[in-house]
Amino acid sequence: GENVEQHPSTLSVQEGDSAVIKCTYSDSASNYFPWYKQELGKGPQLIIDIRSNVGEKKDQRIAVTLNKTAKHFSLHITETQPEDSAVYFCAALDTGTASKLTFGTGTRLQVTL
Amino acid sequence: EPEVTQTPSHQVTQMGQEVILRCVPISNHLYFYWYRQILGQKVEFLVSFYNNEISEKSEIFDDQFSVERPDGSNFTLKIRSTKLEDSAMYFCASSGPRGSGGNKHNEQFFGPGTRLTVL
Repeated sequence: GENVEQHPSTLSVQEGDSAVIKCTYSDSASNYFPWYKQELGKGPQLIIDIRSNVGEKKDQRIAVTLNKTAKHFSLHITETQPEDSAVYFCAALDTGTASKLTFGTGTRLQVTL
Repeated sequence: EPEVTQTPSHQVTQMGQEVILRCVPISNHLYFYWYRQILGQKVEFLVSFYNNEISEKSEIFDDQFSVERPDGSNFTLKIRSTKLEDSAMYFCASSGPRGSGGNKHNEQFFGPGTRLTVL
């Protein structure tokens, strides 16, 4: 089955700096890659996703890149703000054969003033 | 903005007792899921459900677990005889509005979770 690795496990950046979180996946059939933000005591919130027919997608300060050959994808947050502090999870899904998201282990992002 | 809701937010139970966790998915979604997250760990898939049938389940989802859509709005997870290791956050999710076709499992929206504590 699919295995998703995520790093770093913790990331501390100063406000205004950029943050990058990286994930690798094992199943070359996976074709959908969402990123979720989880704030303390809340459920995961979908913030951006990318499909395998696209190499990059951007939404304001957030961007995701996908390298299908290397089987890795990354989340980029620019101009970080204190409210970006949360745990971020990447996930992968093979929409052709499965319904379950396989999640990475999470990255705790702390944005300091 | 439509959202997934879950009740209760926190459930405490004794080992061996039955619990039912409730979810109201987004109203025009057709695919429903349960995931769990043990404290400090990653989110793990339990089961997916469509058209009153289980579509897929994980090894975690053994005979002690069952799901049901008792009416047009609720989606429930039942644990028949809880164990200490069932203590976790349980998240319901939904996806797949009509017409989503091959993207039906994309954009899974999660509820706020139920924290289950088994004593």
